[in-house]
This record gives sequence, C-alpha cells and structure tokens, in this order.
Amino acid sequence: SQQGEEDPQALSIQEGENATMNCSYKTSINNLQWYRQNSGRGLVHLILIRSNEREKHSGRLRVTLDTSKKSSSLLITASRAADTASYFCATDKRGSTLGRLYFGRGTQLTVWP
Amino acid sequence: GAVVSQHPSRVICKSGTSVKIECRSLDFQATTMFWYRQFPKQSLMLMATSNEGSKATYEQGVEKDKFLINHASLTLSTLTVTSAHPEDSSFYICSATGPGGEKLFFGSGTQLSVL
Repeated sequence: SQQGEEDPQALSIQEGENATMNCSYKTSINNLQWYRQNSGRGLVHLILIRSNEREKHSGRLRVTLDTSKKSSSLLITASRAADTASYFCATDKRGSTLGRLYFGRGTQLTVWP
Repeated sequence: GAVVSQHPSRVICKSGTSVKIECRSLDFQATTMFWYRQFPKQSLMLMATSNEGSKATYEQGVEKDKFLINHASLTLSTLTVTSAHPEDSSFYICSATGPGGEKLFFGSGTQLSVL
C-alpha cells in the first residue's frame, strides 16, 4: 500500500477535549504533512514537518515526528465542533518528484458540541 | 494562498461515455499536477503525475489509456475517463504544487457516478 497509515480510524470527542491522531510510514522521507478533508471536498494543508525536525506548532495544532520509529502524531488542542473532518498524513519519498505525496487512510474526527 | 479550481464538482454519465475533468491553478503556475482517486472513507490513491508539456507518469496499476491526462499549459491539467464504467465511479481530486514545491493545493474534487 502507499506510505502512511493513521490510527485511530475514527475518533469521537467532546468540544474542548484534545484529539490525538497517529501516523506511521514505511520509507525514508524528506518531510511529512498533515491535511484535513471535509466530507466530499478537497484537502487543505495544515502543517509540514521536515525530517530533521521533532516538533512543530501551528495555532492549536502540534505535530511530532519520530524518524527512528517512522511515526508522527497530530494533536489538536481545545477541539471545536468545526474541527470535525478527516485528517490525513502524507509523506514524500526521498528522491521522488517534488510534491508527489502518499496518503494514509485517514482518521475521521468527530467533535460533539 | 494558492487556489486550485476543479470542475465539474459532480457528474453523472451513462456507461460507455467519456468524462473530462479540469483542474486549474488560478493564481500561480503549476508545472506539476497530481491526480488522485478516493473511494468512500478511504485514502487518496495517487493515479498519475501530470507534467506541463510532457507525458504524464502513471502509478503502477493505473491504465493510461483509460485515464487520459493532458497538461497543455502551466495552469491547466485535464483528466479524461474514457469509456467509463460503473467501477470507475469514484471521487477524483487534483492537486498542484504551490510556490516552493512542497505543499499541495487541492481542487475541491469531482464525484463521478457512472450508471
């Protein structure tokens, strides 16, 4: 299969709680990205973390990367109902065409008001 | 930010007909665009890499005669599903690398239903 695998496949939480999603991948990468998809729509880029970085923040998002374990996590703090969406990690392959990304199966996050 | 426009958003067609999907970068030049296919609650599967002025590079298992890709200008790539059959029904999404080349900007997708 193409690179990434997320878990859990589905996550259901209350507003205000934190949501953590994990991603594992298979090969050496230059960077790992997280995207969000609302149902029936295209994807929106959230955050990019490079292979030499261990943690990155953007607003309520926190991403970690462990290249030794080939895994990443996305933490959404103080979740809101509007955060309900599918979240995908995507990796490139070292030496591959720039922008050629492989996506995991995604985590469906539901945030209840 | 970079905007990618994809049309149509939804198409219903009869089996055996061909369907063309357009992907345009509106405010930037995209030398490389990508086409993905997505089944319900599944991941995006990369179908092909579309390069302006040259032939597309298809992923293993994707029939190039079935899914014709044309990238005639720096702002437009088209995917034509030829002789569509019900098993081609899916959500097709295009993307383009924005300035800098690492992040992808996605179109809003096309839901294809073949009857």
